[in-house]
Amino acid sequence: QVQLKESGPGLVQPSQTLSLTCTVSGFSLTSNSVHWVRQPPGKGLEWVGAIWSGGSTDYNSALKSRLSISRDTSKSQVFLKMNSLQTEDTAIYFCTRMQSWGQGVMVTVSS
Amino acid sequence: DVVMTQTPVSLSVSLGGQVSISCRSSQSLVHNNGNTYLSWYLQKPGQSPQLLIYKVSNRFSGISDRFSGSGSGTDFTLKISRVEPDDLGVYYCGQGTQYPYTFGAGTKLELK
Repeated sequence: QVQLKESGPGLVQPSQTLSLTCTVSGFSLTSNSVHWVRQPPGKGLEWVGAIWSGGSTDYNSALKSRLSISRDTSKSQVFLKMNSLQTEDTAIYFCTRMQSWGQGVMVTVSS
Repeated sequence: DVVMTQTPVSLSVSLGGQVSISCRSSQSLVHNNGNTYLSWYLQKPGQSPQLLIYKVSNRFSGISDRFSGSGSGTDFTLKISRVEPDDLGVYYCGQGTQYPYTFGAGTKLELK
């Protein structure tokens, strides 16, 4: 059974760094890509980036300078790090294979 | 970036009725490999999105045949027949042909 579960802090101060973890089960990271998608409150979906089965990454061009996605295949975990957070980064962050999604984690950027 | 334009923004439907949602892309979604990576998702209130349709017209595992996708190039449609209460929510189209992956703004399906 495929599962993805996000974890991380619910509150981040402006200008600080966000670190999220996606723990997956039921599939291998070396054979599948994992994406991050975010959704500001009451708004639509925005693709953040992805790490591919081979370990390469792609990022949303608007976020690229602040973003890093990595993984630990031995722990079946994917990591998202985004620096210089602003209030506009407040959103639910989902990790997903696109055909299956985690429950999401709400991240609020506020002092 | 490929811009995905969904219409309408919202739809009211009676149970048992049929609706269509349009999604247009600013560029052709035909990949160099010949595939067209256009998907449809439903996000029910308070839930994560769920995949309904992939590569234009392929229903994902467990998805009812009341959902059908069609289209080509830049113009795509999702049809839902015999609407049920569990179909209500926000529908998104998304493209994975060109990165960054982009989504439409969503169409909210409500009961009339």
